[in-house]
Amino acid sequence: DAGVTQSPTHLIKTRGQQVTLRCSPKSGHDTVSWYQQALGQGPQFIFQYYEEEERQRGNFPDRFSGHQFPNYSSELNVNALLLGDSALYLCASSSTDRPGQEQYFGPGTRLTVT
Amino acid sequence: EDQVTQSPEALRLQEGESSSLNCSYTVSGLRGLFWYRQDPGKGPEFLFTLYSAGEEKEKERLKATLTKKESFLHITAPKPEDSATYLCAVKGNNFNKFYFGSGTKLNVKP
Repeated sequence: DAGVTQSPTHLIKTRGQQVTLRCSPKSGHDTVSWYQQALGQGPQFIFQYYEEEERQRGNFPDRFSGHQFPNYSSELNVNALLLGDSALYLCASSSTDRPGQEQYFGPGTRLTVT
Repeated sequence: EDQVTQSPEALRLQEGESSSLNCSYTVSGLRGLFWYRQDPGKGPEFLFTLYSAGEEKEKERLKATLTKKESFLHITAPKPEDSATYLCAVKGNNFNKFYFGSGTKLNVKP
């Protein structure tokens, strides 16, 4: 049973550029959430996608956008990159069929903005 | 706003020395409290879900408990391979969002 996968593993971008990160959820899961984790901090919620719609959003600017595809995979797009966007970006998937809807995380994408 | 505070920030134990990690939370209508383990540079690994005060869950040397205001992760006779950062998260009435604490970094010395 494949878990949550993310690509790429690492990415280096320059300020002002745009980046797209990708996520495939765990088999049987229909909901994808994205998190930003700075060094030494807990993950911060960016947004969640379900049925190809953004269902909930955290305190992140509109430069952060996303998409969910019919096969439940998802993308996170960040425009006009800032140095402060450097972080580990985590994708988590869950199933609305599970009572607790616990989230299972991928390995993350390490984004460095120079 | 929903909030999670974990303590201590870091904990150093000798192999076999049992201890507890704390997760204090403020949430509007708890719908679940979650414990995760995170190794450096990797994604968090799901450990437990607790739903109501008095509930307990166990897995190997780990035991999680829940009260109305906090949760404890008890580690019995830890081994060096238990070294990791342990994260606590809550989900409240706004059930589409998880709120994470900053974690406790555990280092178990042989």
